[in-house]
Amino acid sequence: DTGVSQDPRHKITKRGQNVTFRCDPISEHNRLYWYRQTLGQGPEFLTYFQNEAQLEKSRLLSDRFSAERPKGSFSTLEIQRTEQGDSAMYLCASSGTSNQPQHFGDGTRLSIL
Amino acid sequence: AQTVTQSQPEMSVQEAETVTLSCTYDTSENNYYLFWYKQPPSRQMILVIRQEAYKQQNATENRFSVNFQKAAKSFSLKISDSQLGDTAMYFCAFMKQEVKKLVFGKGTKLTVNP
Repeated sequence: DTGVSQDPRHKITKRGQNVTFRCDPISEHNRLYWYRQTLGQGPEFLTYFQNEAQLEKSRLLSDRFSAERPKGSFSTLEIQRTEQGDSAMYLCASSGTSNQPQHFGDGTRLSIL
Repeated sequence: AQTVTQSQPEMSVQEAETVTLSCTYDTSENNYYLFWYKQPPSRQMILVIRQEAYKQQNATENRFSVNFQKAAKSFSLKISDSQLGDTAMYFCAFMKQEVKKLVFGKGTKLTVNP
């Protein structure tokens, strides 16, 4: 069990570019979550998958954001036409059942120039 | 919508002493879970302790214990025998039983001084 893995750890990009992050959950976990954490704040929920189905999306997830989990294993989060306000830490978490606690990855820190 | 409030942005404690971090929440739900997560500097979020709302007994995990007051909607974390490695951001979080997302407070930055 290697824990939740996120790639890359850091991403620096110019405003207007597209970026994609990857999350590999703990292998036996069927639930996967994405959160965004800005400086000085707690994480905010973005979206949640059970297996390959995306079951909930936050209103924070604008049309420029899309998340997938094509085979119910790893997930990707894509941000199109990045904006300054997208600068944040993007956290992925996974859990085995709805009553089990969520285990977090190290996060991907996105910086928009 | 549920909200979680941590009223102490920063706290400090001497090594080996006890410190209590406060958390209050607002919900109309009866069945839910409460959590304390620890986020060390530049490191991943780690679960410290969790409490099921239907359980009256306060959860404990080694040096960490909670004081869960359901009627007051209060969920404080007590750290006994503080260690330097306890230095971190501590986040209180709420989860409704049927809804899978965590709602976090803004966090309390705890510094343990030698």
